[in-house]
Amino acid sequence: AQSVSQHNHHVILSEAASLELGCNYSYGGTVNLFWYVQYPGQHLQLLLKYFSGDPLVKGIKGFEAEFIKSKFSFNLRKPSVQWSDTAEYFCAVNAAGSARQLTFGSGTQLTVLP
Amino acid sequence: EAQVTQNPRYLITVTGKKLTVTCSQNMNHEYMSWYRQDPGLGLRQIYYSMNVEVTDKGDVPEGYKVSRKEKRNFPLILESPSPNQTSLYFCASSWDGNQPQHFGDGTRLSIL
Repeated sequence: AQSVSQHNHHVILSEAASLELGCNYSYGGTVNLFWYVQYPGQHLQLLLKYFSGDPLVKGIKGFEAEFIKSKFSFNLRKPSVQWSDTAEYFCAVNAAGSARQLTFGSGTQLTVLP
Repeated sequence: EAQVTQNPRYLITVTGKKLTVTCSQNMNHEYMSWYRQDPGLGLRQIYYSMNVEVTDKGDVPEGYKVSRKEKRNFPLILESPSPNQTSLYFCASSWDGNQPQHFGDGTRLSIL
């Protein structure tokens, strides 16, 4: 079974600061990787996904993530955060091909100060 | 509008009183899933369904049941709810398990 670790539980940044949220997964085979965002009081929305190909993927709202297979990592980045990026961010993984279970990390709460 | 609809949005009930949370999607998706969200634990998958009449356990299935008699509906049943099932529940759907999932707005359950 796969597992996901998000080591940053709460990150506080000022507007215009750069963001990097860590995500490491554990699984021996090929994986699909996702980042979801949950704004206060709302449901989860997809930020970006990686299935195969270019390991640097771009998502909505200026977010991007890099898949580093050797490190089992899929870190989320944004060069300049805004107050409206305040939300909880979840990394998720499933096994490619026989994708049944989707496993989420415990989430990172991002607070951006105006 | 493509959406996943859950009902009720909020429910306070008592231990042992059977309840059902409904989930319906209008995207003709084959894959549907239920998650619970608890502080510090993220989302944990309860059950998922690959298609009609095909369901399987996720990471935390104990105390829950599901059924998938129609493609669009995937109800979550708590036969005898207990306080440790107090949580925020999300239903989600996608074309298949590989694809990004569309989430409902959530159901907040409080079991007293």
